[in-house]
Amino acid sequence: AQSVTQPDIHITVSEGASLELRCNYSYGATPYLFWYVQSPGQGLQLLLKYFSGDTLVQGIKGFEAEFKRSQSSFNLRKPSVHWSDAAEYFCAVGEYGNKLVFGAGTILRVKS
Amino acid sequence: DTGVSQDPRHKITKRGQNVTFRCDPISEHNRLYWYRQTLGQGPEFLTYFQNEAQLEKSRLLSDRFSAERPKGSFSTLEIQRTEQGDSAMYLCASSTRQAPHYGYTFGSGTRLTVV
Repeated sequence: AQSVTQPDIHITVSEGASLELRCNYSYGATPYLFWYVQSPGQGLQLLLKYFSGDTLVQGIKGFEAEFKRSQSSFNLRKPSVHWSDAAEYFCAVGEYGNKLVFGAGTILRVKS
Repeated sequence: DTGVSQDPRHKITKRGQNVTFRCDPISEHNRLYWYRQTLGQGPEFLTYFQNEAQLEKSRLLSDRFSAERPKGSFSTLEIQRTEQGDSAMYLCASSTRQAPHYGYTFGSGTRLTVV
């Protein structure tokens, strides 16, 4: 069965520091991979997605992610974090029938 | 394009009561999805529609849950005889063409509290 693991429940980084959020997936075929961000009490906003081609994907708000098939990973990165990036981040994998399977999320805290 | 709208934003109900939520997708989107998100978890798929046809239902969708999309536009999700375990955020999303190629646009959700 398809699954997504986000190993870090919470991550705290200082403002201006770099960020990497980890995501590992289990999927039988070529995966469609997504990162979403959720602010408290809000819905989910798509940051970026990967279908095929270049394994380094650029998204909104300065985020990027790299697909590594050999490691079954799709880690999210940002070179310099801003206080407004504090939120919960979800990795998701596309499944046959078009529904998404989400990880449990990583809560990002930003120290000033 | 006003995005995906969900109503109400919050609902508190007593155990055993019925509740109904509404989702208005982006007008040109023909696919509509319902997810449930409990505290500390990622969203879990419940069901989805293409136009008015309900194409898939999760095992999570017990017989107390029913979803409709009668004219292929807005959708309703009804929970009968609510239980405390139904307390969650219910998220609606819509897409055009075949997701996941194009991702989803999510609404802000309806937070249900069963007391």
